[in-house]
Amino acid sequence: EVQLVESGGGLVQPGGSLRLSCAASGLTFSSYWMNWVRQTPGKGLVWVSHIKPDGSSTTYADSVKGRFTISRDNVKNTMYLQMDNLRADDTAVYYCAGTGSYFSYWGQGTLVTVSA
Amino acid sequence: DIVMTQSPDSLAVSLGERATINCKSSQSLLYSSNNLNYLAWYQQKPGQPPKLLIYWASTRESGVPDRFRGSGSGTEFTLTISSLQAEDGAVYYCQHYYDTPFIFGPGTKVEIK
Repeated sequence: EVQLVESGGGLVQPGGSLRLSCAASGLTFSSYWMNWVRQTPGKGLVWVSHIKPDGSSTTYADSVKGRFTISRDNVKNTMYLQMDNLRADDTAVYYCAGTGSYFSYWGQGTLVTVSA
Repeated sequence: DIVMTQSPDSLAVSLGERATINCKSSQSLLYSSNNLNYLAWYQQKPGQPPKLLIYWASTRESGVPDRFRGSGSGTEFTLTISSLQAEDGAVYYCQHYYDTPFIFGPGTKVEIK
């Protein structure tokens, strides 16, 4: 059974940083593109970023470019999202999702709240 | 960026009746070299992550009941639930994956009448 488990969310002040993790099991993690998708409470889904299987290529939504960094460790079967200079409008549930460009697998999400 | 719209915003359907959700993209999602439409559909229930139902516009994900059917091509797509069951009450999203940024539609809420 494929499992994606996010962690690292929490309350942070504007301008602060957080690092999210997504631990994967039950799949050949190193073979798949992986993504971060966020959802504002009560609102829709927004794709944030994705990373190539070997980590050599990454892409970001314009709203997070220059502030967020996606990475992965294929030995630990874990993906990360380093979020810097956080803003109130980054408040959302962050999901990791794989594989490829449509998302067969999703984690349960981790809540990030940016507030003073 | 490709813009995705859905209609209606919500609908109430009786058990056993048909539900139809429409999705439009601002440009064609049909990739000519492989004749595939880069469009997926998801179902999301409260407190849960989205669940993939359909990809390539009409291919059902493994384990998805055959009452869920995706159709359409180019810029217009439809998700049809042929005989609504109680467990189908949810929000349904379309998503394009033609290129980045991948964009989701705003969602359609299906309620059981």
